[in-house]
Amino acid sequence: AQSVSQHNHHVILSEAASLELGCNYSYGGTVNLFWYVQYPGQHLQLLLKYFSGDPLVKGIKGFEAEFIKSKFSFNLRKPSVQWSDTAEYFCAVNANDYKLSFGAGTTVTVRA
Amino acid sequence: EAGVVQSPRYKIIEKKQPVAFWCNPISGHNTLYWYLQNLGQGPELLIRYENEEAVDDSQLPKDRFSAERLKGVDSTLKIQPAELGDSAVYLCASRVAPGYNEQFFGPGTRLTVL
Repeated sequence: AQSVSQHNHHVILSEAASLELGCNYSYGGTVNLFWYVQYPGQHLQLLLKYFSGDPLVKGIKGFEAEFIKSKFSFNLRKPSVQWSDTAEYFCAVNANDYKLSFGAGTTVTVRA
Repeated sequence: EAGVVQSPRYKIIEKKQPVAFWCNPISGHNTLYWYLQNLGQGPELLIRYENEEAVDDSQLPKDRFSAERLKGVDSTLKIQPAELGDSAVYLCASRVAPGYNEQFFGPGTRLTVL
């Protein structure tokens, strides 16, 4: 069965700091990869996605993620975070068309 | 375009009581999902519908959980009777159709069982 591992449970950083959240998955075939974000009191929103092509994908709000197939990784990055980036971030993998498997999530707290 | 609508947003019940959650997916979306999200964890799939057919309910605890999507549009998820361990957020999501992999999530229903 496929699984998704997010390396950090809680990350605390200051505004303007750089952010990198790790995500690894266990599935050897073709995958679609996603990062979802959940702001306090809001629903899950798609941040970015990778289906094929350029392994460096850009999403909304200045986020980007890099797919490294050899490492089964899809790490999320943002060069300079803002207080409004405080949220919970979920990595998800789709390996058979319909089922999304989610990681446990990483809570990001940005201090002003 | 309206998003996925869920109601109620919050529900508090006593154990052994029944509870039902309602979801209206994005118009035109054939696939509907129900997920369970426990505190500190990512969502886990309970059931998937393609139109009115439940094509994957392998993770649904059928002794107490049931779901329906009678006309292939909105859906209801029911728990009867509820247990303390059912306290969680119940998420509904939809997508256009098989092959379109992006899922759109509703705000969820936060259930507290006392």
